[in-house]
Amino acid sequence: EVQLLESGGNLVQPGGSLRLSCTASGFTFNTFAMTWVRQAPGKGLEWVSTITGSGGSSYYADSVKGRFTISRDNSQNALNLEMKSLRADDTAVYYCGRSKLSWSGMDVWGQGTTVTVSS
Amino acid sequence: QSALTQPSSVSGSPGQSITISCTGTSRDVGITSFVSWYQQHPGKAPRLLIYEATKRPSGVSSRFSGSKSGNTASLTISGLQAEDEAHYFCSSYSGSSSVLFGGGTELTVL
Repeated sequence: EVQLLESGGNLVQPGGSLRLSCTASGFTFNTFAMTWVRQAPGKGLEWVSTITGSGGSSYYADSVKGRFTISRDNSQNALNLEMKSLRADDTAVYYCGRSKLSWSGMDVWGQGTTVTVSS
Repeated sequence: QSALTQPSSVSGSPGQSITISCTGTSRDVGITSFVSWYQQHPGKAPRLLIYEATKRPSGVSSRFSGSKSGNTASLTISGLQAEDEAHYFCSSYSGSSSVLFGGGTELTVL
């Protein structure tokens, strides 16, 4: 079964750091681009970051550029999101998703992991 | 960059057809075929309905169709069913190597 499973969400203080992970199974991981999308409570979807299948290129939303780092370990079928200098407006459910091309639709999503930034 | 513009809500009766619009600019929707549509039920992850503006993934009902003209993309749902009641989001590649989402549309099946 094709599956994505996020982990690492937690309550963190403003200015703190957190590392999210997304473990893939059931498909050839390195042939898919991977993306993080977040959804603040009661709000819409916001694109966060995308990384190509090889990991050679990565892209970020302006709102997270310089604070978040996306990476992948294709030997472990794992996608990561390192988040630093967290702010209250980073509070959201974070989803990982796969797409055949970097900008095509995400056809498989994880169940999401919750990040809460609060003192 | 601003989010793509969607109506906040639409409604229809069972069996009817509805269309949700997604308006962008010549810097995003207008210049790409990488427009997608997602369905999201409360408390669930989004589900891909349409990719590359008009293509439907396997397993998605043919009642869902997508189109694009100029800076506006559209999602049409025909033969509305109760289970179609959900939020719908569009997304588009933006020419600056980024992705924009629409604000979302709540569909009510009357």
